[in-house]
Amino acid sequence: RKEVEQDPGPFNVPEGATVAFNCTYSNSASQSFFWYRQDCRKEPKLLMSVYSSGNEDGRFTAQLNRASQYISLLIRDSKLSDSATYLCVVNLPSGNTPLVFGKGTRLSVIA
Amino acid sequence: DGGITQSPKYLFRKEGQNVTLSCEQNLNHDAMYWYRQDPGQGLRLIYYSQIVNDFQKGDIAEGYSVSREKKESFPLTVTSAQKNPTAFYLCASSMEETQYFGPGTRLLVL
Repeated sequence: RKEVEQDPGPFNVPEGATVAFNCTYSNSASQSFFWYRQDCRKEPKLLMSVYSSGNEDGRFTAQLNRASQYISLLIRDSKLSDSATYLCVVNLPSGNTPLVFGKGTRLSVIA
Repeated sequence: DGGITQSPKYLFRKEGQNVTLSCEQNLNHDAMYWYRQDPGQGLRLIYYSQIVNDFQKGDIAEGYSVSREKKESFPLTVTSAQKNPTAFYLCASSMEETQYFGPGTRLLVL
């Protein structure tokens, strides 16, 4: 099983839609979780950390389900500017990789 | 302006040549990282350094070398031993676990 798995998409949604992405992780000892956003040919940028109780930042909501080992990102009222690739990131408590990045889920918001 | 800078934006390498990618940060972060990203792929860790004068290999260190002589700087050398160097190279830094990235360098082989 891969350490971090994401559906690559693309998710094509109309403006104003609500869209959700899931990400599964394999190491049950992982403690830190993040969502990053990466625009085409640009560097990843931190979107939000994911806390145990779930957290919200404007139109974005992140959830953690430790029992099933997945995190989710919900985007409400999608904007054209939300079009990007969303990377799920998880820490590894052991091993030689501090953080493991998923391959990303591509979102395209259409007018 | 606080941030991470990488130079150059594009770099061309000839066969058998070593090239060095620059990464500088003025965020006063202790840890710095180098990643490689290939088209349609996730980020793969090359090397990281948690403190000055110390660094560890990541998952794909072969064909690369680094140094960490100053807190602000973490240059990456792509040696001639790296047979497939064409990729997007990203440098990051962190104080705790949250990593912040520079704009990246695209390396192309002539």
